[in-house]
Amino acid sequence: GAVVSQHPSWVICKSGTSVKIECRSLDFQATTMFWYRQFPKQSLMLMATSNEGSKATYEQGVEKDKFLINHASLTLSTLTVTSAHPEDSSFYICSARTQILAGGGNEQFFGPGTRLTVL
Amino acid sequence: RKEVEQDPGPFNVPEGATVAFNCTYSNSASQSFFWYRQDCRKEPKLLMSVYSSGNEDGRFTAQLNRASQYISLLIRDSKLSDSATYLCAVNMRENTGGFKTIFGAGTRLFVKA
Repeated sequence: GAVVSQHPSWVICKSGTSVKIECRSLDFQATTMFWYRQFPKQSLMLMATSNEGSKATYEQGVEKDKFLINHASLTLSTLTVTSAHPEDSSFYICSARTQILAGGGNEQFFGPGTRLTVL
Repeated sequence: RKEVEQDPGPFNVPEGATVAFNCTYSNSASQSFFWYRQDCRKEPKLLMSVYSSGNEDGRFTAQLNRASQYISLLIRDSKLSDSATYLCAVNMRENTGGFKTIFGAGTRLFVKA
């Protein structure tokens, strides 16, 4: 199946610093990628939809100035957590779709996730 | 009301048991439906898509009832390796014309010897 990679797999940083997470589709082109956040024992919460060549679409309650998304190419989207604080500590997962079918069917592949810990 | 709701769990079952998970969604315009499996500290992996006609893959059977906005997953002859969190996922069309996937909170399954 399609492969999506994320880098780094884990990061520990001090409060106030910015952290960039990369999401790459390795063997297919993804015009749309998604960023999710998952707190312990909770489900994946969609943060934003990343669109190649255009602005990201953020979900309600997600601060676009704090979570900067850039989708510069068909295989790369980045999420930058600016001025990170301990409450931003979470598991960040990206995903990409291989194909969008007429009925909305598709297969979504997830990256392995990035575990962020802010001290 | 949450867009996608699942049984709270956890489900603790013995090996060989049959277990059923339920999921309801609120948006009647939802387009497609999936079950994912997520192991601890890992990313979700697609288990199966869900179709109105119902579909089966080995020990796993998924059903969709659009009228009731209800999705189910049945696991027969449970194995120890089935222990995981099962996430219901629903694709919804956005105003932009694209689709986004919303996940339920997940149901944790523990299969014991």
